[in-house]
Amino acid sequence: QKEVEQDPGPLSVPEGAIVSLNCTYSNSAFQYFMWYRQYSRKGPELLMYTYSSGNKEDGRFTAQVDKSSKYISLFIRDSQPSDSATYLCAIPYNQGGKLIFGQGTELSVKP
Amino acid sequence: NAGVTQTPKFQVLKTGQSMTLQCAQDMNHNSMYWYRQDPGMGLRLIYYSASEGTTDKGEVPNGYNVSRLNKREFSLRLESAAPSQTSVYFCASSEGVRASYGYTFGSGTRLTVV
Repeated sequence: QKEVEQDPGPLSVPEGAIVSLNCTYSNSAFQYFMWYRQYSRKGPELLMYTYSSGNKEDGRFTAQVDKSSKYISLFIRDSQPSDSATYLCAIPYNQGGKLIFGQGTELSVKP
Repeated sequence: NAGVTQTPKFQVLKTGQSMTLQCAQDMNHNSMYWYRQDPGMGLRLIYYSASEGTTDKGEVPNGYNVSRLNKREFSLRLESAAPSQTSVYFCASSEGVRASYGYTFGSGTRLTVV
């Protein structure tokens, strides 16, 4: 079993839709959870990060962590064509600064 | 503020050739990383350097070597390129050993081995 699993999609939605992106993880010791966004032919950029369980909101984006079921989610409200990108969940190991990435979900928002 | 700079952006190699991918960061970060990204595989860690003077293997180190030249620069070398090393390579840096602050990535090197 991979330590972080993510549905690779692709996911296509109409503009204005609510998007839900999800990952599962296997190690209950993980504490920090991150979401990166990667535009085509660019490097990933940090979008949001959360610590432990609960929700964190930033504009149209909400990151949610459910540690009891080892499930993390990213919600995008009122999706825009500019949100079209690959979204990767990532979890840091506590040693060495290493990040484990999910496979990434490719999102396309159609006008 | 350039962030993380990778060179070259594109490269085509013949099987058996060698090359070095260069990476430099100007954020005074302590830790640096090399990842490769392949379709369906996500980002996989090749090597990392937690601090200047140290390097460690990641998930897929075979066929690669690294050098942490100084605090700013971290290079990745392919001694004898193979078609299986065709990939997009990303360099990243972070403030410290705990990656809870997240990484800053470069824009990538697209390598094709024929």
